Amino acid sequence: GAGVSQSPSNKVTEKGKDVELRCDPISGHTALYWYRQSLGQGLEFLIYFQGNSAPDKSGLPSDRFSAERTGGSVSTLTIQRTQQEDSAVYLCASSLGGTQSSYEQYFGPGTRLTVT
Amino acid sequence: AQRVTQPEKLLSVFKGAPVELKCNYSYSGSPELFWYVQYSRQRLQLLLRHISRESIKGFTADLNKGETSFHLKKPFAQEEDSAMYYCALSPGGFKTIFGAGTRLFVKA
Repeated sequence: GAGVSQSPSNKVTEKGKDVELRCDPISGHTALYWYRQSLGQGLEFLIYFQGNSAPDKSGLPSDRFSAERTGGSVSTLTIQRTQQEDSAVYLCASSLGGTQSSYEQYFGPGTRLTVT
Repeated sequence: AQRVTQPEKLLSVFKGAPVELKCNYSYSGSPELFWYVQYSRQRLQLLLRHISRESIKGFTADLNKGETSFHLKKPFAQEEDSAMYYCALSPGGFKTIFGAGTRLFVKA
């Protein structure tokens, strides 16, 4: 079956512009996660969704970052007024969710964002 | 604070040599711990989790609560083991905290 997909794979934008990153999770996965992978920084947790709700938004770096998920499926991460420090690979992952917290996360290929 | 520390950014070993990738965590409860791996040009994927007590591709990891460590070990490294390895902690719920990663390079 299809894995987690993300689009676009690469995005180059000018400083100050808004960008939208999309994630299509594996069908049936109720939990969805966004991470940021910066060079030498590892994976930084941004937000996760359980269904359409986001119980934990603590990782969003600033109010320029927002995310939504509709229909318990596709999610969009929006970055407003992009800054050069937003340049990174943005990873999405999904998992079965439910009541057990240790479900394996399946990762997408990532979106490489470059802010010039 | 919940934290995962991988002290080595880069680890280089010869093929056939033992390898140990270090991971220390900071968490007061009973954590769930994982190792994820990212091979060149591939997606990040789960390698193993401590609750399964499994050995994947010859790798094992033992949770040491006293030392708050979850080091990843393999007795004989192979060239195909060259990859980026991330240790991760799930404190409960769905949040997962990843370490900065260790790049393993296995030399022929």
